[in-house]
Amino acid sequence: DAGVIQSPRHEVTEMGQEVTLRCKPISGHDYLFWYRQTMMRGLELLIYFNNNVPIDDSGMPEDRFSAKMPNASFSTLKIQPSEPRDSAVYFCASSPPFRTEAFFGQGTRLTVV
Amino acid sequence: AQSVTQPDIHITVSEGASLELRCNYSYGATPYLFWYVQSPGQGLQLLLKYFSGDTLVQGIKGFEAEFKRSQSSFNLRKPSVHWSDAAEYFCAVGQTGANNLFFGTGTRLTVIP
Repeated sequence: DAGVIQSPRHEVTEMGQEVTLRCKPISGHDYLFWYRQTMMRGLELLIYFNNNVPIDDSGMPEDRFSAKMPNASFSTLKIQPSEPRDSAVYFCASSPPFRTEAFFGQGTRLTVV
Repeated sequence: AQSVTQPDIHITVSEGASLELRCNYSYGATPYLFWYVQSPGQGLQLLLKYFSGDTLVQGIKGFEAEFKRSQSSFNLRKPSVHWSDAAEYFCAVGQTGANNLFFGTGTRLTVIP
């Protein structure tokens, strides 16, 4: 398996623009997580899904952020409108049914100017 | 509330020397504990995990960690560090396995010749 695949690897956008981050989890994994990493706040869980259903979105910072998982092999994290303070590395991770390990993608480095 | 403390922000060791990275957690129930490593520009890779049983767990790349309930600690050790071990190391605690991982702030390891 190719592991968790995220795209794009880097994204530079202007403030106010919509940004969409994409994630393909490992086949057979039924948990999917979105994390954000910043120097100030470290690694934070934003939201996670189980069997495509959002379970806990308490980490989503505000309504500008939304996440979807239309099927078992694809998820998106959308920021609309984007702001400079959203600049961070966003990681997607997936976990098998017994939740014994979270496998991380290589991340998307987002820069909002 | 759960929390993870990694008291050392940055550690420098000589190649071939032993290493111990500290991790203390706060969690009401029996924790699920993890150590991840992040190389520059990369995602997080699992080194080892503790769910139950033997309190000394072995991981990849020659790492081990010991769970000490009385000290609420899960310190990571390696007897002889290699230059390729230079990276950032994160301790994490999970509520139910790999779900909702709560990460420490990380320890950056520098290895000098």
